[in-house]
Amino acid sequence: GENVEQHPSTLSVQEGDSAVIKCTYSDSASNYFPWYKQELGKRPQLIIDIRSNVGEKKDQRIAVTLNKTAKHFSLHITETQPEDSAVYFCAARGLKAAGNKLTFGGGTRVLVKP
Amino acid sequence: NAGVTQTPKFQVLKTGQSMTLQCAQDMNHEYMSWYRQDPGMGLRLIHYSVGAGITDQGEVPNGYNVSRSTTEDFPLRLLSAAPSQTSVYFCASSYGGDQPQHFGDGTRLSIL
Repeated sequence: GENVEQHPSTLSVQEGDSAVIKCTYSDSASNYFPWYKQELGKRPQLIIDIRSNVGEKKDQRIAVTLNKTAKHFSLHITETQPEDSAVYFCAARGLKAAGNKLTFGGGTRVLVKP
Repeated sequence: NAGVTQTPKFQVLKTGQSMTLQCAQDMNHEYMSWYRQDPGMGLRLIHYSVGAGITDQGEVPNGYNVSRSTTEDFPLRLLSAAPSQTSVYFCASSYGGDQPQHFGDGTRLSIL
């Protein structure tokens, strides 16, 4: 099955700096890559997603890049703010998998220091 | 729209007891999934469904059963609770396999 690895596991940045989280996946046929943000005690919420026919996608301060050849994708947060502090999860959906079978990475705890 | 509704929010069980976690969505989504999240860890797929009457196993299905008799509901049954099943359980739904998943608020389950 699909295997998704996420790095780093923790990330501390100064407010205003950028944060980058990287994920690799194993199934070369994977076609959908969402990113979720989870605040303490809350449910995961989608912040951005990208499909395999696109190399980059932006939404205000958040961007995701996808390198299909290397089988990795990254989340970029610019001008970080204290409210960006949360756990971020990447996920990948393998094309061989039926239905909504997403495989999640282990998560990155981001702390933005004021 | 209420989105994805999970009940109960909290539950404490004794080892060997059984119970059903409820999940309902009002978005007419075909795809529904159950995940468990252990402290400091990611989400692991337990079971999922691509439509009414169709279910399949995820990566950690042992000790759990599901059914999907309607599009709206996707209950998760613990057959004989074990301490290793102490976790937070999330239900999610989406229109399709490559569409955003909407998560419920979770059920925090403790098994003594």
